[in-house]
Amino acid sequence: DAGVTQSPTHLIKTRGQQVTLRCSPKSGHDTVSWYQQALGQGPQFIFQYYEEEERQRGNFPDRFSGHQFPNYSSELNVNALLLGDSALYLCASSLGMVSRYGNTIYFGEGSWLTVV
Amino acid sequence: GDSVTQMEGPVTLSEEAFLTINCTYTATGYPSLFWYVQYPGEGLQLLLKATKADDKGSNKGFEATYRKETTSFHLEKGSVQVSDSAVYFCALIQGAQKLVFGQGTRLTINP
Repeated sequence: DAGVTQSPTHLIKTRGQQVTLRCSPKSGHDTVSWYQQALGQGPQFIFQYYEEEERQRGNFPDRFSGHQFPNYSSELNVNALLLGDSALYLCASSLGMVSRYGNTIYFGEGSWLTVV
Repeated sequence: GDSVTQMEGPVTLSEEAFLTINCTYTATGYPSLFWYVQYPGEGLQLLLKATKADDKGSNKGFEATYRKETTSFHLEKGSVQVSDSAVYFCALIQGAQKLVFGQGTRLTINP
């Protein structure tokens, strides 16, 4: 049973460019969330997708956008890249939007983005 | 807003030592609490969780008790191993949708 898969694993972009990161959720999961983890910091919630709609968003600018496809996979897009966007981007999947009882959330290994 | 504060690292211990990593939280209501572990080059893995006050989560010899009165969820292990070397994150979830993480504590165990 494949877990959460992300691609690419590493990439380098130049300031001002655009990047697309991809995520396939764990089999049977229908909800995808994205997190940004800067070096030495804890992950920060970007947004969550359920039923192909953005359901919740963290404190990130509109340069960060996403999409969920009918097969539940998801993309994270970042426009006009800044040096400060350099981070590990984590995708997490769950069955249904997570309740306070913590339906188990599975994380991928992440995509390392370096902006130069 | 909700927040999680962890003891600052890095923490370095010898094998078989006792481990405590402190975690306190600020939240309205009654969040669920989690410890995640991140091994080198890997994604986050759920280590344990507790969903209500006085619950004790446990896994792989690690334990943490949800203390509402002190808003804490400290991680403990009686005898650590070299294989426990990793970064540990305390987190909470409330309502729905998103995890709020602490800044992480890097643990190194020397043989």
